[in-house]
Amino acid sequence: TQLLEQSPQFLSIQEGENLTVYCNSSSVFSSLQWYRQEPGEGPVLLVTVVTGGEVKKLKRLTFQFGDARKDSSLHITAAQPGDTGLYLCAGASENNFNKFYFGSGTKLNVKP
Amino acid sequence: KAGVTQTPRYLIKTRGQQVTLSCSPISGHRSVSWYQQTPGQGLQFLFEYFSETQRNKGNFPGRFSGRQFSNSRSEMNVSTLELGDSALYLCASSKRQGRDTEAFFGQGTRLTVV
Repeated sequence: TQLLEQSPQFLSIQEGENLTVYCNSSSVFSSLQWYRQEPGEGPVLLVTVVTGGEVKKLKRLTFQFGDARKDSSLHITAAQPGDTGLYLCAGASENNFNKFYFGSGTKLNVKP
Repeated sequence: KAGVTQTPRYLIKTRGQQVTLSCSPISGHRSVSWYQQTPGQGLQFLFEYFSETQRNKGNFPGRFSGRQFSNSRSEMNVSTLELGDSALYLCASSKRQGRDTEAFFGQGTRLTVV
């Protein structure tokens, strides 16, 4: 059983469309991170959110941390083929900031 | 600034053998964590080292062990390899110790057990 549930698992969209990925849990996290991973490579950190209700923007990507610090979302505006990859959310334990629980990932494919 | 370096990138081992993987963290990072990634289970936490001490351990059998050296470099060892140990092993390093801790990952070591 995953501590963090990510949805959807797979997403195939056309270039220019918008999308939202969700990361939900019944547990409280000290922080939540989003990563993007290419096949055969390690995850690359996109953003860290720490405060409940926090919203961070990274160009066309918008990240939100839930008020209760149990859930998060990633919204991509006008997706591009370069956004294709596996998106992972990871929550840091309240007791050990260096222990992360990962969601199962969302595999995004953006078609030109 | 160099990132997290893992060696080797690829390994093929036979059942029953043992293997050692290496991780060099980002300069100045004292915390090193190890994760196993498989298609079925996703990314799962193995253990974390800080200042040469294991601070946290995941739910893996004792065949999985690790250590950290005084220069923060870390090694992970898996003994008596099983087919199910085939996975991408990822190492992450972090500097800060507060709620804004960020983990930076290496490219991983792809282990195949035959």
